[in-house]
Amino acid sequence: GNSVTQMEGPVTLSEEAFLTINCTYTATGYPSLFWYVQYPGEGLQLLLKATKADDKGSNKGFEATYRKETTSFHLEKGSVQVSDSAVYFCALSRGGAQKLVFGQGTRLTINP
Amino acid sequence: DAGVTQSPTHLIKTRGQQVTLRCSPKSGHDTVSWYQQALGQGPQFIFQYYEEEERQRGNFPDRFSGHQFPNYSSELNVNALLLGDSALYLCASSLYKIGGSAQHFGDGTRLSIL
Repeated sequence: GNSVTQMEGPVTLSEEAFLTINCTYTATGYPSLFWYVQYPGEGLQLLLKATKADDKGSNKGFEATYRKETTSFHLEKGSVQVSDSAVYFCALSRGGAQKLVFGQGTRLTINP
Repeated sequence: DAGVTQSPTHLIKTRGQQVTLRCSPKSGHDTVSWYQQALGQGPQFIFQYYEEEERQRGNFPDRFSGHQFPNYSSELNVNALLLGDSALYLCASSLYKIGGSAQHFGDGTRLSIL
């Protein structure tokens, strides 16, 4: 079946550090890939997405590239801020309005 | 433009009771999906409604049921509550026929079972 595996957390960085959160997936065909972010006490917010191989999703300084050869969708940011502290979820869907399959989440804490 | 709204925000029930959670989708969306998020875990798909019918279902027992209304809003019903049903219940909306359409989430309903 379809599944997503994320880098285990928690991850703690200093402000302005470089961030990478690893995400790999298992799926048949060509799924769409997503990163969602969850701030304390809130629901999930879509951070970025990519719908086909070699697509790069980007938003608010975050980027992720859909790599079919390595079945990966790693999240990166060049310089993190305290306000980036949250839980990040990688997810896939088989397209259209198909259900989302989530990874277990990675808690990120940025210290000033 | 209103996003996805869920009610209530918090709910406390006891074992064996029944609960109904409500969701209004983002304006222009026609599909509603429900997810259960246990503490410290990723959301798990419960089911999805489109055109007032259940279209997909995850690995959840029949105690979990739902409904979609003509205005696209939706309800999630859980019967015979168990302690393990304590979780954050998230509603997400999307457009059914748009390939790669992202799902937009509400802030969830926190359900606690005593």
